[in-house]
Amino acid sequence: DAGVTQSPTHLIKTRGQQVTLRCSPKSGHDTVSWYQQALGQGPQFIFQYYEEEERQRGNFPDRFSGHQFPNYSSELNVNALLLGDSALYLCASSILAGGPRNEQYFGPGTRLTVT
Amino acid sequence: AQKVTQAQTEISVVEKEDVTLDCVYETRDTTYYLFWYKQPPSGELVFLIRRNSFDEQNEISGRYSWNFQKSTSSFNFTITASQVVDSAVYFCALSPYNQGGKLIFGQGTELSVKP
Repeated sequence: DAGVTQSPTHLIKTRGQQVTLRCSPKSGHDTVSWYQQALGQGPQFIFQYYEEEERQRGNFPDRFSGHQFPNYSSELNVNALLLGDSALYLCASSILAGGPRNEQYFGPGTRLTVT
Repeated sequence: AQKVTQAQTEISVVEKEDVTLDCVYETRDTTYYLFWYKQPPSGELVFLIRRNSFDEQNEISGRYSWNFQKSTSSFNFTITASQVVDSAVYFCALSPYNQGGKLIFGQGTELSVKP
């Protein structure tokens, strides 16, 4: 049983560019959440997708957007990249029906470096 | 405000020592969930334990134990007879009941276990 997978593993972009990160949830999971983890910090919640819609959003600007596909996989898009967007981006999947009690399974992350 | 504080940024112990990682949380909700995750150098967050706000029983799993005290809003994690493989960053997280599974993480404690 495959866990959460993310691609690419590493990415280097230039300021002002756009980036798309991808996530495939664990089998049987229908909800995908994205987190940003800056170096030396705890992960910060970006947003959560269920049934192809954004259910919740953290304190991130509109430059951060996402999408969920019918197969539950998800993309995170960041436009107009800033140096401060350099971070590890983590995807987590879960089953919505369980609510907040459900553990979230995390992927290995995508390390984004903006130069 | 909802917040998780892990005051210990780094802890270094020698193998076989016991070590306690502190976690203090803030929430006005009466129903919530608390989690501990481990993040090894590979970057993937590994679920360790979940506790709901109505269950203050301490839990032991092998060398790991958790002490939940609602009166002091603390959810501390103890590793008994630490091993080098325990070296990692450990995160405490809060999931408020009405926020659909969003995790609020502390800043993490980096544990280094030396042989």
